[in-house]
Amino acid sequence: AQSVTQPDIHITVSEGASLELRCNYSYGATPYLFWYVQSPGQGLQLLLKYFSGDTLVQGIKGFEAEFKRSQSSFNLRKPSVHWSDAAEYFCAARLDSGGGADGLTFGKGTHLIIQP
Amino acid sequence: KAGVTQTPRYLIKTRGQQVTLSCSPISGHRSVSWYQQTPGQGLQFLFEYFSETQRNKGNFPGRFSGRQFSNSRSEMNVSTLELGDSALYLCASSLAEGRSEKLFFGSGTQLSVL
Repeated sequence: AQSVTQPDIHITVSEGASLELRCNYSYGATPYLFWYVQSPGQGLQLLLKYFSGDTLVQGIKGFEAEFKRSQSSFNLRKPSVHWSDAAEYFCAARLDSGGGADGLTFGKGTHLIIQP
Repeated sequence: KAGVTQTPRYLIKTRGQQVTLSCSPISGHRSVSWYQQTPGQGLQFLFEYFSETQRNKGNFPGRFSGRQFSNSRSEMNVSTLELGDSALYLCASSLAEGRSEKLFFGSGTQLSVL
């Protein structure tokens, strides 16, 4: 079955430190991959997406992600986190189906805590 | 440009009732999809509409239904509510359908079933 796995439920990082959030996918073919962020009481905001080509993708707010086909991974990184980065982060994947694109399949999310 | 608007923001219902949630997409967007978010199951795809046609449906019972109007606004309905239907329901819109489309999410409707 198609799935997206985020192994870390919670991650605590000191402000100014680097960040890496892990994401693995299990699909028959390479899906389109996304990272979303959700602040409390808010909807989801797209950080970046990967379709093909360069495996290092740049997004908004200083985030980047690297696609590694051999590891079926799409990890999110940021060189230096800010207190405002505290939020829930979701990795998601999407494939086409016969009747149009499938809906997004989300990982369970990683809750990012920023220590002062 | 206004974002995706979902109404109401909060809703309290009792078991057995039915509920209708509304979503107004970003102007010019023709595709609307719905997701359910719960602490236990996370984010799950409900259905997607494009040009008033349901294009795809997630693995939810028939109690969950939706529709899209000619102005792209969408509604979803849940009949015979169960306690487990308590969730944040998120609507997302995009310009067109397809896996590459960027989805813009609303802030959601928080449904509580008592």
